[in-house]
Amino acid sequence: QVHLVESGGGLVKPGGSLRLSCVASGFSFSDYYMNWIRHSPGKGLEWLSYLSGHSSYASHADSVKGRFAVSRDNAKNSLYLQMNSLTVDDTAIYYCARQLEVAGTIDLWGQGTLVTVSS
Amino acid sequence: QAILTQPSSLSASPGASASLTCALRSGLYVDTYTIYWYQQKPGSPPQFLLRHKTDSDKQQGSGVPSRFSAFKNTSANAAILLISGLQSEDEADYSCMIWHITAAVFGGGTKLTVL
Repeated sequence: QVHLVESGGGLVKPGGSLRLSCVASGFSFSDYYMNWIRHSPGKGLEWLSYLSGHSSYASHADSVKGRFAVSRDNAKNSLYLQMNSLTVDDTAIYYCARQLEVAGTIDLWGQGTLVTVSS
Repeated sequence: QAILTQPSSLSASPGASASLTCALRSGLYVDTYTIYWYQQKPGSPPQFLLRHKTDSDKQQGSGVPSRFSAFKNTSANAAILLISGLQSEDEADYSCMIWHITAAVFGGGTKLTVL
């Protein structure tokens, strides 16, 4: 059974940092692009970043470029999101999600991890 | 102006059909994009419903009933998700998505109420 499980969320003060993790199971992790997407209260889904299977290609949304960095460890079937200089606007549920092909279907989502930025 | 615009809410009756629109920003043309549709219920992650480029280039998500379909209104420069035979379980948020340059872009989502 295919699964994605995120962790690492929590309460952090403005200006702080957090590292999210996502562990994949049930599929060949290194064969897939992986994404981070968030859902803020009262707002729509917002794509944040993707990383190719062997980390050759990465892209980040303008809203997080320079503050967030995606990485992966295929030996651990894990995807990461390092988030720095957090603001209250970064409060959201953060999902990792699998992408079937380049610029293709995002077909599998984890349950998400909640990040709250507050003083 | 947002790249993808969706109405924030829509209501429809059980058994009726609902058309959820996703309009592209001026200067972007709906017929050049594959449109992805997602359903999200409270407390759950989004679920892939279907993707649609043309009537011959489309794909239904695994287990998604055929009463969910999509088409494009090129004169309105919009993609449409059509849900036929509405059921109470269809009450959810629906979001459209495209790949634009090297980024995925989501619409703001439409909350569909079935009552």
